Amino acid sequence: AQKVTQAQTEISVVEKEDVTLDCVYETRDTTYYLFWYKQPPSGELVFLIRRNSFDEQNEISGRYSWNFQKSTSSFNFTITASQVVDSAVYFCALSDFTGNQFYFGTGTSLTVIP
Amino acid sequence: SQTIHQWPATLVQPVGSPLSLECTVEGTSNPNLYWYRQAAGRGLQLLFYSVGIGQISSEVPQNLSASRPQDRQFILSSKKLLLSDSGFYLCASRQGARNTEAFFGQGTRLTVV
Repeated sequence: AQKVTQAQTEISVVEKEDVTLDCVYETRDTTYYLFWYKQPPSGELVFLIRRNSFDEQNEISGRYSWNFQKSTSSFNFTITASQVVDSAVYFCALSDFTGNQFYFGTGTSLTVIP
Repeated sequence: SQTIHQWPATLVQPVGSPLSLECTVEGTSNPNLYWYRQAAGRGLQLLFYSVGIGQISSEVPQNLSASRPQDRQFILSSKKLLLSDSGFYLCASRQGARNTEAFFGQGTRLTVV
C-alpha cells in the first residue's frame, strides 16, 4: 500500500528564515513518482515539482529546493528566505508505478510572519 | 495545459438529500480522473479514481459513488447525504498518468446541515 506522511502539521517562521517541510513515503513499488503541491487560502492546488524514483538528483528552483533520498524514503522541501506569500498548506504526494493511484499526505500548514 | 471545471463552488444541503457534483476537463483526452475530499481544511483523501469511461475505482467505502459517463466528465454522487459528508471536494485530472502532475479544479465546499 502507498502512504505519505507529513509529520509537521503546522509550522510558523519569521520572514526571511529558511524552513524545511518533511515528507516520508511508503511504497512497495520500485518505480514510483513523488510530487509537491501548494494550497494557498483560495483552496486550489498548485503543482510545484515532481520526481521519479530513479532520479535522486536534488533540485533547486529559485528559493525552493527539494532533497530526495531513497535510503530514508524522504522527499523534503526547503524554502529559503521565506516570504509572507509562502504562507499556505503544502502537500507531498505519491503515485504508484502504474500512475493510476495518486495519494497525498495530510499537509503542512506554513505561516510566514512578517 | 488542462483546465478543470467544477461546480458549484459552494453548496449547503440538508441531511438525507441527494448530491451531484460535476467535473469536466478541457485540454486533454483520456485522462485519469480523481475525486478527493479535504475535511477539516487539511488532508486530501482519495475517494475515487477513473482510468477510462465507465471505469471507477473506489478507495474508501462510504456513502458516495462516482461515475464517468464521458471521457472528460466525472460525477460524484450520493443518494442520501450524511453530516460527515461535509468537506471540500476536489476533482483532479492527470494526462498519461505515471510521472505527470495532476491538475485540480477550484473545488466545491459542501456543508451538510
